[in-house]
Amino acid sequence: ETGVTQSPTHLIKTRGQQVTLRCSSQSGHNTVSWYQQALGQGPQFIFQYYREEENGRGNFPPRFSGLQFPNYSSELNVNALELDDSALYLCASSARQAQETQYFGPGTRLLVL
Amino acid sequence: AQSVTQLGSHVSVSEGALVLLRCNYSSSVPPYLFWYVQYPNQGLQLLLKYTSAATLVKGINGFEAEFKKSETSFHLTKPSAHMSDAAEYFCAVAEGSNFGNEKLTFGTGTRLTIIP
Repeated sequence: ETGVTQSPTHLIKTRGQQVTLRCSSQSGHNTVSWYQQALGQGPQFIFQYYREEENGRGNFPPRFSGLQFPNYSSELNVNALELDDSALYLCASSARQAQETQYFGPGTRLLVL
Repeated sequence: AQSVTQLGSHVSVSEGALVLLRCNYSSSVPPYLFWYVQYPNQGLQLLLKYTSAATLVKGINGFEAEFKKSETSFHLTKPSAHMSDAAEYFCAVAEGSNFGNEKLTFGTGTRLTIIP
């Protein structure tokens, strides 16, 4: 069984640029959630995707957007990057029909200069 | 909205001593509660979860937690600390009714240091 994977592991961007982060869900999981973890803080919920539709969103501006694909993998896109977007971005997958807990990937560390 | 409070951003214990990490929650409905551990430069690993089946929950690596509704607490304990337990620990509460399938709200974390 393959766990949750994320790419890239690290990324450096400059303010104003756009970034795309990728997540492959664990085998058998159809729900993907994205979290932002700033340095020294707990993860903050960005949004969740289920059956390719957004299913809940946290307190993040519209420049944070996402996609889920038919194979349940997902992308997180951030436009017009700001310095405060520097963080660890975590993806978590779960099997909604099985009411299963979310399992997290290793994260992508984004640095905005 | 549901929330969790972790008392103590840093906890230090001697190797072999009791580990106690505190978590209090706020919820208007029966909560689903979780403890996750994060090792340096890694993602989150689930330690244990409370889903109303039993108030004392046993997890991996010898950790357990007790749900106390009257105290709105879900403290994490381990009888004897090991050096490998040094990490950041997060308490989380689930919103919705799908056993943590939906939005998780995390506390700010407790960094556990083990003293040789």
